[in-house]
Amino acid sequence: DIQMTQSPSSLSASVGDRVTITCRASQSISSKLNWYQQKPGKAPKLLIYSAVHLQRGVPSRFSGSGSGTDFTLTITSLQPEDFATYYCQESDSFSLFIFGGGTKVESK
Amino acid sequence: QVQLVQSGAAVKKPGASAKISCKTSGYKFTIYGVNWLRQAPGQAPEWLGWISGYNGYKSVAQKFEDRVTLTTDTSTSTAYMEVGSLTSDDTAIYYCARDDGDSRSSGIFDYWGQGTLITVSS
Repeated sequence: DIQMTQSPSSLSASVGDRVTITCRASQSISSKLNWYQQKPGKAPKLLIYSAVHLQRGVPSRFSGSGSGTDFTLTITSLQPEDFATYYCQESDSFSLFIFGGGTKVESK
Repeated sequence: QVQLVQSGAAVKKPGASAKISCKTSGYKFTIYGVNWLRQAPGQAPEWLGWISGYNGYKSVAQKFEDRVTLTTDTSTSTAYMEVGSLTSDDTAIYYCARDDGDSRSSGIFDYWGQGTLITVSS
């Protein structure tokens, strides 16, 4: 089975900071990588699909990059509403769709 | 607007079954699929299965194949998931989520229900 490893598991940042979260797959998944944001008590929200495509309605300060096994989610200027947990998820396996362990972005 | 509205929380005893509904609106049910995922406290989401809104074709994760049943009612644009033989390990929030796959899930979950907490306790 594919393993998805996110780092860091948590980080502290301030409003206006540039934030980078990485996700590594245990085998190549081409560009089949999605990013979600989840706030406490809420369902995950799709931010980026197929590694680089911004979901409709998501602010342009979010961006994704990478292919193969290494991927990155970048928030260029962190806003107050961006404090949340972020998950990567592979969509290559067809019947598993494994999520990473999550990265909690907290206020410094 | 696209909405997926799930049924309410439930408490079940070990060995029982739980059936959750996911009523959709704001889009054509038959050209999308519905996925089911769950999230245990403090854990990442876990995919359980998928059903086509078009023809009812489904796929279920191997570890749940023997106790997860997926169905749809196209007349009400509603999807259902039943989980049987519940244990305390099944205590989680269960979500439905839309995708645009046809013969199988695309694995891109663009709209989610609000979640249904299933607590398994004696």
